[in-house]
Amino acid sequence: DIVMTQSPESLVVSLGERATIHCKSSQSVLYNSNNKNYLSWYQQKRGQPPRLLIYWASTRESGVPDRFSGSGSGTDFTLTISNLQAEDVAVYYCQQYFNLPLTFGGGTKVEIK
Amino acid sequence: QVQLVQSGPEVKKPGASVKVSCKASGYNFGDYGIYWVRQAPGQGLEWMGWISGYNGNTKYEEKFQDRVILTRDRSTTSAYMEFGGLRSDDTAVYFCARGKNMAELRNTFDVWGQGTQVTVSS
Repeated sequence: DIVMTQSPESLVVSLGERATIHCKSSQSVLYNSNNKNYLSWYQQKRGQPPRLLIYWASTRESGVPDRFSGSGSGTDFTLTISNLQAEDVAVYYCQQYFNLPLTFGGGTKVEIK
Repeated sequence: QVQLVQSGPEVKKPGASVKVSCKASGYNFGDYGIYWVRQAPGQGLEWMGWISGYNGNTKYEEKFQDRVILTRDRSTTSAYMEFGGLRSDDTAVYFCARGKNMAELRNTFDVWGQGTQVTVSS
């Protein structure tokens, strides 16, 4: 199984500042034949289902504000929230879909300072 | 709009079974797979299995394959998860989700149901 490790576990950021979340996979999730990283990011607010933010490591889902961006390749990935807003308080998860079983990171809780 | 609507909360005794439904609307049900993901209290997300909306083929996470049965009904655009031999540590919110990429098993999830709380308690 591909193990997804997120850091930090929690993050406290001031409004308007940048939040950076890291995700590391135990093996590469880059598929060489199409040069795509099979890596997604989700946002989950309290009491709600997850919401897809980013797929293919850096493609923003329709309707997601452009302050959310994804980067990285191979085994190391980053979700950046620029200009943090109050509504961004949530837990963020990465997920690999390179191999079965599909696996998620443990989550990173983002709070406002 | 595209949505998945799940059945309501369940309380079951240890050893019992539960069946959760997931009603899809707003898209061609047969074009996409449905995935099931669970989340124990205060915990992360765990993939359980997949069912093809097209032909009903299934794939299960190894730890669940002896206890979970996924089915679907194209006529009612609904998917179902039946989970047997329930234990207290199966207490969780169970989500259905649509795979974003048509005809793909290895997938990301672009539409989620609201979740169904399943509580296992004697």
